[in-house]
Amino acid sequence: DIQMTQSPSAMSASVGDRVTITCRASQGINNYLAWFQQKPGKPPKRLIYAASSLQSGVPSRFSGSGSGTEFTLTISSLQPEDFATYYCLQHNSYPPTFGQGTKVEIK
Amino acid sequence: EVQLVESGGGVVRPGGSLRLSCAASGFTFDDFGMSWVRHAPGKGLEWVSGINWNGDTTHYADSVKGRFTISRDNAKNSLYLQMSSLRAEDTAFYYCAKNYGDPDYWGQGTLVTVSS
Repeated sequence: DIQMTQSPSAMSASVGDRVTITCRASQGINNYLAWFQQKPGKPPKRLIYAASSLQSGVPSRFSGSGSGTEFTLTISSLQPEDFATYYCLQHNSYPPTFGQGTKVEIK
Repeated sequence: EVQLVESGGGVVRPGGSLRLSCAASGFTFDDFGMSWVRHAPGKGLEWVSGINWNGDTTHYADSVKGRFTISRDNAKNSLYLQMSSLRAEDTAFYYCAKNYGDPDYWGQGTLVTVSS
């Protein structure tokens, strides 16, 4: 199985900060990568698909980049509603595998 | 509007069985593969199983292979997960999701608790 290593596992940030989360794949996954946001008690919400395509309805402050084995989710200006846990997911090969998650907390 | 509604969760003893269902609406169900993903308390997300549009291709996570069976009934717009030989580590919220490997819409989830 492909291992997805996400970093950091947790971080504290302030409203207005630029936030970057990284996901590294144990082997190349082309651009078969998605990013999800999950809040407590809620299902995950897809933010980014195909590494850099913004899901319809998701604010433009979210962006994704990367290819091959290294990927990044960037929040350009953190908003109060963005405090949540973020996960990457590779679906280049089965089974699809998630990163371990990054919890973004209020500083 | 895409809607996915899971049901069938509950408390079951180790070694027991449970069948989850997912009722889909708001899209052409038999045009899409479907998935089950779970979230155990205090842990990360885990993709459990996927099935293609007509049910003739399925995949499973190693952790559930041989114990769980995914299926679908396109006439009923429904997805299922038959779980057997349940273990404590299967305790989680189970989500039904649209698409096979890259879920774009998710249900609200159903809680499965495996405990004696």
